[in-house]
Amino acid sequence: EPEVTQTPSHQVTQMGQEVILRCVPISNHLYFYWYRQILGQKVEFLVSFYNNEISEKSEIFDDQFSVERPDGSNFTLKIRSTKLEDSAMYFCASSEQGAGANVLTFGAGSRLTVL
Amino acid sequence: AQSVTQLGSHVSVSEGALVLLRCNYSSSVPPYLFWYVQYPNQGLQLLLKYTTGATLVKGINGFEAEFKKSETSFHLTKPSAHMSDAAEYFCAVTDRESGNKLVFGAGTILRVKS
Repeated sequence: EPEVTQTPSHQVTQMGQEVILRCVPISNHLYFYWYRQILGQKVEFLVSFYNNEISEKSEIFDDQFSVERPDGSNFTLKIRSTKLEDSAMYFCASSEQGAGANVLTFGAGSRLTVL
Repeated sequence: AQSVTQLGSHVSVSEGALVLLRCNYSSSVPPYLFWYVQYPNQGLQLLLKYTTGATLVKGINGFEAEFKKSETSFHLTKPSAHMSDAAEYFCAVTDRESGNKLVFGAGTILRVKS
């Protein structure tokens, strides 16, 4: 069964450092997403991406965050200068279509720990 | 704005017993509702979804959920729990105006006792 693959599974970084989280969506999917889950809190939407541009973003997704599809297969989330409160599990997801009833396939997540 | 409330952050059942995980939602337009499951060190896996039509939806692993508009609920059930059902379960809502932006509940950890 097709999977969404995320790397790294766990990253520890110092506050202020840049972090790039990588995702390989399902090959025929056109819509890509990042969600995050701070420990003990809800899974929250960060951003959606389609046709090489952001289609929607949440209030969380400020100027410190950026997304990119650099090579037609990878989908990355960059945090420019990490803060302690960025520590969370980050989930990548993809879907075939953008309509609300469409199913998102999620990756296993990348756990980011900011010290 | 949409929201999801999952009653009970932890639910414990005996093997073979009924599983009932509660989910209530709020949405100003007809919702699309989902249940996802997360096993340790794995991603969020879709169990089932409701979009339109039949209000009782069946999913994988013997789970089902019923959409009750009057109660704004979408509770997840399974007649007989198995040890392999131990996981965290998330209810989520979206609608056709929200693209694929899911709003999740806080999750319920299901423990199955032998």
